[in-house]
Amino acid sequence: AQSVTQPDIHITVSEGASLELRCNYSYGATPYLFWYVQSPGQGLQLLLKYFSGDTLVQGIKGFEAEFKRSQSSFNLRKPSVHWSDAAEYFCAVGHSGGGADGLTFGKGTHLIIQP
Amino acid sequence: DARVTQTPRHKVTEMGQEVTMRCQPILGHNTVFWYRQTMMQGLELLAYFRNRAPLDDSGMPKDRFSAEMPDATLATLKIQPSEPRDSAVYFCASGPSDFPTGIQYFGAGTRLSVL
Repeated sequence: AQSVTQPDIHITVSEGASLELRCNYSYGATPYLFWYVQSPGQGLQLLLKYFSGDTLVQGIKGFEAEFKRSQSSFNLRKPSVHWSDAAEYFCAVGHSGGGADGLTFGKGTHLIIQP
Repeated sequence: DARVTQTPRHKVTEMGQEVTMRCQPILGHNTVFWYRQTMMQGLELLAYFRNRAPLDDSGMPKDRFSAEMPDATLATLKIQPSEPRDSAVYFCASGPSDFPTGIQYFGAGTRLSVL
C-alpha cells in the first residue's frame, strides 16, 4: 500500500527566507504526487502536482517541487516566503497511480512565519 | 468561481444522535470523495463515488456510517448513532472524469463535535 511521510511536524522560517518542506513517499509504480495547502478553518487548495515529464514542477503562489525517484522524494520549495504562507502543508500520493481513486496524505507540516 | 459546498460548516451534537453532512460537488465533476481529518490520524479517505455509484467505502466504519449520492448535485454522509470519537473535520472533494490524473477540489469541511 502507498504511504507518505512528512518528517517535519513544524517548521519556522523568517519572512523573506527560503523554504523547503520534505516529503517521502512509498509506492510501487510511478506515483502521481500532489502538494496541498490548508489555511486555518479552510479546505485544502492544490498547490502543484506531478504526473510525468519534467521532474521540477511549478505551482501557484511561487511554489515549486522536485520529484526525485532515486530518493522517493517530492520536496516543496519557495525562494522567499511571505507571512501569508503560514498554513498547514500536505503532501499526497494518488491511489492506484492517479488521484482518481483517492489520495493518501502525509500528516502535514505546520509552517510558521517569523516577522 | 466553481467550488465544492459543504453544509453545515459546524455541528455540535450529543452522543447517540444522527448526524447528516451534505456536499454539493462542482458541476460536471463525476467523482466525489469523503475524507476525515483528525489530529491523531490526519486525513483519511472514507469513501468515494463515481457517476453516483459507490466505488469504495472501506475507510468507513460500516456499522454507523453511510454515504449516498441521491443525485449528481448532492452527496451525503450520515453517522447514526454518533460517538465522541467521530469528532473530526469531514471534507468532501470532487474531481473531473480525466482518470488517472484525478485532481481533487476540496470543500471547506464540516467540523463535527460529538459530546
